[in-house]
Amino acid sequence: EAGVAQSPRYKIIEKRQSVAFWCNPISGHATLYWYQQILGQGPKLLIQFQNNGVVDDSQLPKDRFSAERLKGVDSTLKIQPAKLEDSAVYLCASSLVATWGLGTTDTQYFGPGTRLTVL
Amino acid sequence: ILNVEQSPQSLHVQEGDSTNFTCSFPSSNFYALHWYRWETAKSPEALFVMTLNGDEKKEGRISATLNTKEGYSYLYIKGSQPEDSATYLCAFQQRAGANNLFFGTGTRLTVIP
Repeated sequence: EAGVAQSPRYKIIEKRQSVAFWCNPISGHATLYWYQQILGQGPKLLIQFQNNGVVDDSQLPKDRFSAERLKGVDSTLKIQPAKLEDSAVYLCASSLVATWGLGTTDTQYFGPGTRLTVL
Repeated sequence: ILNVEQSPQSLHVQEGDSTNFTCSFPSSNFYALHWYRWETAKSPEALFVMTLNGDEKKEGRISATLNTKEGYSYLYIKGSQPEDSATYLCAFQQRAGANNLFFGTGTRLTVIP
């Protein structure tokens, strides 16, 4: 089974530039997550999609970050314009469950991440 | 934002040594505790999902325990090997009906041959 794919793996940009990351989840996985991991911190959820609808985007800085998941499969995360503090690893994950109930502990499968450096 | 803490932050052990590290999490509204291993330049890999107080999980040389009443989990590695070198992350799941994970900062393990 193919894992979660992400591209690019590395990106260096200057502040105020724009950048986009792409994620292709495991086939058949309904839920897709974007996490931001700043050096020295744990991954923090930015946005969670179930199929092509947003479940949780409470931690997404909406003035500069946007994300979409067209057709409920691939997803892109965009930063426009980037700031120095956006330097981080951006992880995409997917999980199988489409509906949750009691007893659900759905494992999230992660991609290798995109390491963004903003100069 | 929930506070999930891991200790130590980093650890160096000799090949063959056994080691353990700690994950602390809120004891209220507990639903599940996840452990991940993240090797450099690779994807984080799920190790265990634990839900019940007193749960113990084991996979090869790696095992984990869970105490939900006091809010901690231990991860043990027996006879560490160089390939165990990685960052070990724990993540707290607060409730059923959502799959939002709150991660600790990780323990970076280096096994010296």
